[in-house]
Amino acid sequence: ETGVTQSPTHLIKTRGQQVTLRCSSQSGHNTVSWYQQALGQGPQFIFQYYREEENGRGNFPPRFSGLQFPNYSSELNVNALELDDSALYLCASSVPRLETQYFGPGTRLLVL
Amino acid sequence: QKEVEQDPGPLSVPEGAIVSLNCTYSNSAFQYFMWYRQYSRKGPELLMYTYSSGNKEDGRFTAQVDKSSKYISLFIRDSQPSDSATYLCAIKGYAGNMLTFGGGTRLMVKP
Repeated sequence: ETGVTQSPTHLIKTRGQQVTLRCSSQSGHNTVSWYQQALGQGPQFIFQYYREEENGRGNFPPRFSGLQFPNYSSELNVNALELDDSALYLCASSVPRLETQYFGPGTRLLVL
Repeated sequence: QKEVEQDPGPLSVPEGAIVSLNCTYSNSAFQYFMWYRQYSRKGPELLMYTYSSGNKEDGRFTAQVDKSSKYISLFIRDSQPSDSATYLCAIKGYAGNMLTFGGGTRLMVKP
């Protein structure tokens, strides 16, 4: 059974740029959630995708957007990067009948 | 007030000690309770999941939920240096898709 994978592991961007982060869900999981974890804090929910549709969104601006593909993999896109977007971005996969979510290793984003 | 409160620590204990980690929450709609362990620069790893008041045991770990007090705990018996990590409580409502996390407690187990 393959776990959740994310790419890239880390990257550096400058303010105003755009970034795309990628996630492959755990085998058999059709739901993907994205979280932002600032240093020293708990993860904050960004949004969730199920059947290629957004299925819930946290308190994040529209410049945070996403996609889910037919193979259940997902992308997180962030436009007009700000310094405060520097964080660990976590992807978690699940199935609707289970309440638990399984996390990938994260992508560490630094905005300069 | 945050929906889920967790003492950030750090909590330092000697090897073999019993560790108690705690969270409080404010929303009685929360129904599902999880504990994750996160090593430095890694993603959170699910340790325990429960949805009812009472205790759930798995090896050295015991999760305890008191819905009447809105209080959850994780106990670690015979703590090991490899248990040194940040422990996150996560809570979910009956409806909705998001996990609401506490800020995490950093635990250090010294040999």
